[in-house]
Amino acid sequence: SQQGEEDPQALSIQEGENATMNCSYKTSINNLQWYRQNSGRGLVHLILIRSNEREKHSGRLRVTLDTSKKSSSLLITASRAADTASYFCATPMDTGRRALTFGSGTRLQVQP
Amino acid sequence: DAGVIQSPRHEVTEMGQEVTLRCKPISGHNSLFWYRQTMMRGLELLIYFNNNVPIDDSGMPEDRFSAKMPNASFSTLKIQPSEPRDSAVYFCASTVTATNEKLFFGSGTQLSVL
Repeated sequence: SQQGEEDPQALSIQEGENATMNCSYKTSINNLQWYRQNSGRGLVHLILIRSNEREKHSGRLRVTLDTSKKSSSLLITASRAADTASYFCATPMDTGRRALTFGSGTRLQVQP
Repeated sequence: DAGVIQSPRHEVTEMGQEVTLRCKPISGHNSLFWYRQTMMRGLELLIYFNNNVPIDDSGMPEDRFSAKMPNASFSTLKIQPSEPRDSAVYFCASTVTATNEKLFFGSGTQLSVL
């Protein structure tokens, strides 16, 4: 089963608004990553947050991690039409395997 | 750097045929992953290699699937015989270490089995 689950499944906003996506996971992790996928393309790594970090910023992206609640959020500020994509959280697999398991994703539509 | 290169981009085949998907990881990366993406099941790990050695193939659906990595710059995923339920987008990804950080994905192969 998937380790991470995103919420909401789909989100539609206007350009300039902020977009917040949430991710919940099941087991202890040493890091959590967020990826973006444009339609018909592969996933692109956005940001990684380690288990001893609570918040991280990268440009218009802000990621938080709450290990006590096993949850993370991705905030995109001042969204642009070009941010339209699917966003996935990813965590190390629960059996110690050195690979990532991905959530079901949030489809973000930014209306111009 | 050209990134992870997958071929073909699209493959349409008939049930029962053999399908071979190819991947060239980023030079210097020593871990390679094959994922499958469908609407119903999302992204699933099929197999991954570290230093050309298969480490975990527990995600391979069944014996019809096989993967090889004969050298550091090439990997194949083969389906024989193919079935309609194998229709999906197959992604290859690579990373510089096996510490599950920052995977680089190819553009994927869209497989349709009729």
